[in-house]
Amino acid sequence: GNSVTQMEGPVTLSEEAFLTINCTYTATGYPSLFWYVQYPGEGLQLLLKATKADDKGSNKGFEATYRKETTSFHLEKGSVQVSDSAVYFCALVSSGSARQLTFGSGTQLTVLP
Amino acid sequence: EAGVVQSPRYKIIEKKQPVAFWCNPISGHNTLYWYLQNLGQGPELLIRYENEEAVDDSQLPKDRFSAERLKGVDSTLKIQPAELGDSAVYLCASSLDPSSGSYNEQFFGPGTRLTVL
Repeated sequence: GNSVTQMEGPVTLSEEAFLTINCTYTATGYPSLFWYVQYPGEGLQLLLKATKADDKGSNKGFEATYRKETTSFHLEKGSVQVSDSAVYFCALVSSGSARQLTFGSGTQLTVLP
Repeated sequence: EAGVVQSPRYKIIEKKQPVAFWCNPISGHNTLYWYLQNLGQGPELLIRYENEEAVDDSQLPKDRFSAERLKGVDSTLKIQPAELGDSAVYLCASSLDPSSGSYNEQFFGPGTRLTVL
């Protein structure tokens, strides 16, 4: 079946530090890959996505590249802000189940001023 | 435009009591999802509706959980009786009805945090 493995947290960084959150996946076919973010007290929001190999998703300074050869979709940001503090979830939808999201366990990020 | 609305936001009950959660999806979204999110975990799908039809309820524990979406708009998820292990966040999401198996973005509500004592 499908699965997503995320870097365990929590992750604590100082403002303006570089962020990487690792994500690897197992899926049948050619999945679409996503990063969702959950701010305190709010619902999950789609941060970025990539639908095919070598695609790069980007939004709000965050980037992730779909690497089929390593089955990875690592999230990066060059300079984090305090407002980026949240829980980040990597997720996939496989080509065989177009509507069912499979999530990783989430990574808590705290950015200190 | 309003997002996905859920109520209540928090619920504390004693074990063996019933509990119900309500969700109103984004206007025009045909597909509605209920997810269970345990502490420190990602959401897991419980049930998916397309309009008023439950098209995927394979992960719903049917001995104590039930759901309905009678008019194809808002939905209720019920637990009866609740157990200690049901303490979690219950998320609702909605999306447009995709065609030909394509994926449409799911929009999530803030969730209901259930505590069973």
